[in-house]
Amino acid sequence: DARVTQTPRDKVTEMGQEVTMRCQPILGHNTVFWYRQTMMQGLELLAYFRNRAPLDDSGMPKDRFSAEMPDATLATLKIQPSEPRDSAVYFCASGLGVIDRGEAFFGQGTRLTVV
Amino acid sequence: GENVEQHPSTLSVQEGDSAVIKCTYSDSASNYFPWYKQELGKGPQLIIDIRSNVGEKKDQRIAVTLNKTAKHFSLHITETQPEDSAVYFCAASPNYQLIWGAGTKLIIKP
Repeated sequence: DARVTQTPRDKVTEMGQEVTMRCQPILGHNTVFWYRQTMMQGLELLAYFRNRAPLDDSGMPKDRFSAEMPDATLATLKIQPSEPRDSAVYFCASGLGVIDRGEAFFGQGTRLTVV
Repeated sequence: GENVEQHPSTLSVQEGDSAVIKCTYSDSASNYFPWYKQELGKGPQLIIDIRSNVGEKKDQRIAVTLNKTAKHFSLHITETQPEDSAVYFCAASPNYQLIWGAGTKLIIKP
């Protein structure tokens, strides 16, 4: 069945290292969201793409985070250099068109631990 | 901007009883209100949603009500079962994105 696939599921890295998280949206979906989830802040929107174009990345720390969609089947979120405060679960979600016209389907998440 | 408040943060109910989770929003432009369920180790999953032109929507044991005047909406789960144990999130959408509540941890006691 159709699902959003995220890799890796878990990542432990040392402070200062580059981290790349990948997301394969559901085939045919044209919107992609990156969220970060922590106990303290809940679900935070980091970036939003529609038709592969970044429409909103205001929630993302620009100095170390970057998000791209090299093609319609792949979205990436990079952190360079990583810091302990980046430890969180990162979710990718995909959908069709404007959010109020259909649900956002979430992946299983990438649990990132920066030590 | 939009702000969504969700209560309670934790709710414990006896199996078979009903559970109610409430959310309030601030932006009258919000017109879409989904509810997501998140099980341990998984991503949130949509369980029900409602649009601003509807006051109530029901799907088996789950129902959502919306009061646009008061800017609040609620999730009702009847005849709760052990598999209902999870964290539930409400959200409001004034535009292309979802503004999330902080979540409610629902515990079903046997």
